[in-house]
Amino acid sequence: GESVGLHLPTLSVQEGDNSIINCAYSNSASDYFIWYKQESGKGPQFIIDIRSNMDKRQGQRVTVLLNKTVKHLSLQIAATQPGDSAVYFCAENSRGGGNKLTFGTGTQLKVEL
Amino acid sequence: DAGVTQSPTHLIKTRGQHVTLRCSPISGHKSVSWYQQVLGQGPQFIFQYYEKEERGRGNFPDRFSARQFPNYSSELNVNALLLGDSALYLCASSHSGTGLGEQYFGPGTRLTVT
Repeated sequence: GESVGLHLPTLSVQEGDNSIINCAYSNSASDYFIWYKQESGKGPQFIIDIRSNMDKRQGQRVTVLLNKTVKHLSLQIAATQPGDSAVYFCAENSRGGGNKLTFGTGTQLKVEL
Repeated sequence: DAGVTQSPTHLIKTRGQHVTLRCSPISGHKSVSWYQQVLGQGPQFIFQYYEKEERGRGNFPDRFSARQFPNYSSELNVNALLLGDSALYLCASSHSGTGLGEQYFGPGTRLTVT
């Protein structure tokens, strides 16, 4: 079935390094993608989104890249900080799907001091 | 401005009981969606409501139902609780009902079924 998944379940990085979290999706009708950050005991927090007519979008310390050819999405976090430690989810929405988001299983990002 | 609020924060129920979870969206948002998040997994879509009408339903049994009120707040009801219903129930609000707008999540309600 259609799914959104992540390549790496756990990513450990040193403070100050850049982090890259990857996500693969299988629904070719997907046209809107979102990255969420979820800290323990909290709801998912919106980080950044990108529409299918774009390849790259930048925010504050974060960049999302979309490769529609291989159905791949990535989140880059610059100068990773301890406060970035959390589980990161990519989510996908397809045209005509209303507000239904399909989430992957998540990547645990651990920032080491 | 207040974000999405949910109540209660935690809830413990027994198998077979009924539960009602509540959500208040961000002011001005007309769409509310409900998700179930089992420990260690990503959220799974249950329902979407927009302007008090159901706009989407996920693959959940009929024991799950929801509604949206004129003030756009929403309730999620689960009947005949099973142990497998233990999860974090998340509510997300959005101004748009078409999936092209940002969705903001509340802190969730942690439901434990014993």
